[in-house]
Amino acid sequence: QQQVKQSPQSLIVQKGGISIINCAYENTAFDYFPWYQQFPGKGPALLIAIRPDVSEKKEGRFTISFNKSAKQFSLHIMDSQPGDSATYFCAAIGNQFYFGTGTSLTVIP
Amino acid sequence: DSGVTQTPKHLITATGQRVTLRCSPRSGDLSVYWYQQSLDQGLQFLIHYYNGEERAKGNILERFSAQQFPDLHSELNLSSLELGDSALYFCASSPSIDSYNSPLHFGNGTRLTVT
Repeated sequence: QQQVKQSPQSLIVQKGGISIINCAYENTAFDYFPWYQQFPGKGPALLIAIRPDVSEKKEGRFTISFNKSAKQFSLHIMDSQPGDSATYFCAAIGNQFYFGTGTSLTVIP
Repeated sequence: DSGVTQTPKHLITATGQRVTLRCSPRSGDLSVYWYQQSLDQGLQFLIHYYNGEERAKGNILERFSAQQFPDLHSELNLSSLELGDSALYFCASSPSIDSYNSPLHFGNGTRLTVT
């Protein structure tokens, strides 16, 4: 079964808006939660990551919010730009990597 | 640039054929992972090698096999190809034996088209 559930499948946001992508997991053994960004024709690239002992991590316009009790985490992209248009994957790491199914983000100028 | 090199970038072949995909990990990385990415599915984990030894298997078909060589490069062999095998195949590497504390670094993939 899908170890990490990701939503939405696709997202369209106006330039300057906030993009929010959500992920949920079940296995409490996961202890590292990275987000990957993938542009067409390229491999996924590590964007930002968080550990469950922290509720929020911010790097520039990208923020991960983590809710350990709810077993949910989300990626917020502030001031979204057309260059942010890409597919985003959340992941959870335990004894293996488990990826979400991806969110295709389109930022409209 | 992730430092992971995959060749070839594109591969077109016919059903029933056999192909080999190659991956060179980042310098110093001992782990190599293979993933399959189809249009309607996310990243499907196939297999993980560490320093030449198989560590974990995911949803890898019996028609597929892989190995990691002493110089740490890895090859993924796909045989008796079917139309449904058309996908992007990614290799990723990391320095550690397991996933903890160690994000993956992906190559740019090999796009396989089976006709």
